[in-house]
Amino acid sequence: NAGVTQTPKFQVLKTGQSMTLQCAQDMNHEYMSWYRQDPGMGLRLIHYSVGAGITDQGEVPNGYNVSRSTTEDFPLRLLSAAPSQTSVYFCASRGQKIYEQYFGPGTRLTVT
Amino acid sequence: AQSVTQPDIHITVSEGASLELRCNYSYGATPYLFWYVQSPGQGLQLLLKYFSGDTLVQGIKGFEAEFKRSQSSFNLRKPSVHWSDAAEYFCAVGLYTGTASKLTFGTGTRLQVTL
Repeated sequence: NAGVTQTPKFQVLKTGQSMTLQCAQDMNHEYMSWYRQDPGMGLRLIHYSVGAGITDQGEVPNGYNVSRSTTEDFPLRLLSAAPSQTSVYFCASRGQKIYEQYFGPGTRLTVT
Repeated sequence: AQSVTQPDIHITVSEGASLELRCNYSYGATPYLFWYVQSPGQGLQLLLKYFSGDTLVQGIKGFEAEFKRSQSSFNLRKPSVHWSDAAEYFCAVGLYTGTASKLTFGTGTRLQVTL
């Protein structure tokens, strides 16, 4: 049981490049979400999904796309990276127990 | 809208001393409250949670927190801090509507422990 996994751990992009941050969970959780963490701002919700085929925007969705084709995977896509997207990104999943939200180890992204 | 305030950005305590990290929330109903800890380079780990009932809740690693409705606070405490407790601590309030959930986080308090 690996929990929530994220790849890559680190990534450097140039402005305008695109990439996908991967997130997978093996707990059969319906609810998954993406957060970004910036110094002095805590974690902010980007997008979330309540099940396969269903996604919705969070607090800071601009510049990011998501899809949920399977229960296990919830990738986050940056279509055209900007320096403002330099951050640490966390994926999380939650099961039926609303307080059991598990976080992945994070992806540190730098956009130059 | 719900919000969480952690007024202390950085706290330094000596090993063995007691600790209290402050958290104030703004929410219209009875909140779901959480404390998470983040060690350097790691993800977030749930320390404890409050939903209802006893206002003093116990968590992992010897931490406890007390919910005070009159003060809109959920402060985290530990009687004796260990060097391994050095980390960043986040308070969060949860909003749940049906199957959806949203956690709103505070900005975090970084704890430094001196030997």
